[in-house]
Amino acid sequence: QVQLQQWGAGLLKPSETLSLTCTVYGGSFSFYYWSWIRQPPGKGLEWIGEVNDSGRTSYTSSLKSRVTISVDTSKNQFSLRLTSVTAADTAVYYCARVPYRLPYPDAFDIWGQGTVVAVSS
Amino acid sequence: QSVLTQPPSASGTPGQRVTISCSGSNSNIGTNNVNWYQQFPGTAPKLLIYVNNQRPSGVPDRFSGSKSGTSASLAISGLQSEDEADYYCAAWDDSLIGRVFGGGTKLTVL
Repeated sequence: QVQLQQWGAGLLKPSETLSLTCTVYGGSFSFYYWSWIRQPPGKGLEWIGEVNDSGRTSYTSSLKSRVTISVDTSKNQFSLRLTSVTAADTAVYYCARVPYRLPYPDAFDIWGQGTVVAVSS
Repeated sequence: QSVLTQPPSASGTPGQRVTISCSGSNSNIGTNNVNWYQQFPGTAPKLLIYVNNQRPSGVPDRFSGSKSGTSASLAISGLQSEDEADYYCAAWDDSLIGRVFGGGTKLTVL
């Protein structure tokens, strides 16, 4: 049973850097994209970006200048770094797995538990 | 403003059939697969439909998906009170070179 366990700081001040890490338990790191998604309070889901097992990344254009997603295959972990945060970055942040093909091609099939991140002075 | 357009709300009575639409463009739904997610308050979303109309194991066959052109739909038949949740569509967008979500639809079971 594959599980994603995520952690990171939940309270930040404006201009600080958000850092979250997601560990993959019980499964392979290969042949998947590893994504970050966020959900502001009372709002919908927003894809932030993803990294594959080779370290290739894709980011949403609105955050591209501030976001870095990296992978550490030796630890089965991938991480999110978002610089210069503001109140608009307050959200629940999720990590998620996207298979290249099987079992559910190109879908977020496994999700982390979510991390509440609040940005406030 | 979400790239994929969903109605903000939908409702039905127990036993009814409800459909939720998801409208996109040629760069996303028109050329790529659509997936649907179900989310209950305070929990992570769960994959409900993948590759337009396929159900993951464990998802009741009351849930079905379809796609035509640049639009997709999620249908829930035999509506039950436990289906009350938020539903999101998602797809890859070739123009944006990224994944996009619909704004979500809150389903209320009356």
